[in-house]
Amino acid sequence: RKEVEQDPGPFNVPEGATVAFNCTYSNSASQSFFWYRQDCRKEPKLLMSVYSSGNEDGRFTAQLNRASQYISLLIRDSKLSDSATYLCVVITTSGGSYIPTFGRGTSLIVHP
Amino acid sequence: NAGVTQTPKFQVLKTGQSMTLQCAQDMNHNSMYWYRQDPGMGLRLIYYSASEGTTDKGEVPNGYNVSRLNKREFSLRLESAAPSQTSVYFCASSDRQTYEQYFGPGTRLTVT
Repeated sequence: RKEVEQDPGPFNVPEGATVAFNCTYSNSASQSFFWYRQDCRKEPKLLMSVYSSGNEDGRFTAQLNRASQYISLLIRDSKLSDSATYLCVVITTSGGSYIPTFGRGTSLIVHP
Repeated sequence: NAGVTQTPKFQVLKTGQSMTLQCAQDMNHNSMYWYRQDPGMGLRLIYYSASEGTTDKGEVPNGYNVSRLNKREFSLRLESAAPSQTSVYFCASSDRQTYEQYFGPGTRLTVT
């Protein structure tokens, strides 16, 4: 079982829709969590960190559920420009180092 | 600010050839990473360097070596390229406090 799992999608939604992605992780010692956005043939870019209490940045809301070991990303009022792949990242400590593990990504297509 | 830079952007190698991928960051980050990204596989960690002078294996280190030349630079070497190493390679750096990673634009490597 992969340490970090995401539904690859694609999620195909109309403009203005609300869409949510989940990402599950297997290591309960994981400490930090992030969502990245990756456009086709480009590098991943940090979208937002995920805090224990949940956090919001404009139309984007991220949440962490430590008990069930998943993080989520909610996008409200989807725009065409939100079409991309969304990657979750989990940071786990190992021997004093902090090891990032990426999920395989969830593809979002927003159509007119 | 250039952020994270990588050279070259594209490379074609024949099986058995060697090459070094270069990465540099100007954000004074302690940690640096090398990933490969293959279709459907997401980003997989090859090697990382938690600080200048240290390097550690990630998920897929076989066939690669790294050098953390100084705080700014982290290079990835393929000693004897194989077709299975055809991939897109991303370098990233992160702050030790936040663990937020910033990526270079990637190197698209084809091994024939």
